[in-house]
Amino acid sequence: GENVEQHPSTLSVQEGDSAVIKCTYSDSASNYFPWYKQELGKGPQLIIDIRSNVGEKKDQRIAVTLNKTAKHFSLHITETQPEDSAVYFCAASSNYQLIWGAGTKLIIKP
Amino acid sequence: EAQVTQNPRYLITVTGKKLTVTCSQNMNHEYMSWYRQDPGLGLRQIYYSMNVEVTDKGDVPEGYKVSRKEKRNFPLILESPSPNQTSLYFCASSFRTGGYEQYFGPGTRLTVT
Repeated sequence: GENVEQHPSTLSVQEGDSAVIKCTYSDSASNYFPWYKQELGKGPQLIIDIRSNVGEKKDQRIAVTLNKTAKHFSLHITETQPEDSAVYFCAASSNYQLIWGAGTKLIIKP
Repeated sequence: EAQVTQNPRYLITVTGKKLTVTCSQNMNHEYMSWYRQDPGLGLRQIYYSMNVEVTDKGDVPEGYKVSRKEKRNFPLILESPSPNQTSLYFCASSFRTGGYEQYFGPGTRLTVT
């Protein structure tokens, strides 16, 4: 079945620097790739998503890139701020189900 | 306000005492799902429902039951809880399955002693 690997498990960056989180998937038929942000004590919330007919998508300081040939996609956060501290999950849609990565804890150092 | 609600938010119980965690959404979503979240393991799907009276197993269904008698409600039932079911549980809903945003509830922290 589909498998999604997410790296790194923990990422610590200086405030103002960029952060990149990477995911790989195994099912070449996957066609939808969302990213969710989970703040402490809350449920995950969608922050950006991309479909397989697009290579890149941006929304202010966050962007997602997709490489279908290599079967990997990445989340890029620029000019990181304290409120970016959270756990981030990637996912891939396969057979109408979302397969989740294990999550990345992003720490923003002041 | 569009939302997914879960109750209770926190629960401490003993082994073998049946419990139900309720989940309700007000967005008329067809798809609902239950996840458990454990440190280092991410989100693992327990059960999901694609519509009323249609439910199916996720990745970790053992020890859990669900029902979908109404579109808005999707309760999670633990008939005989055990300590390995101590976890953080999330209910989620989306318009349909697949390429649609999932809306998550606030979570239920369950401890089984």
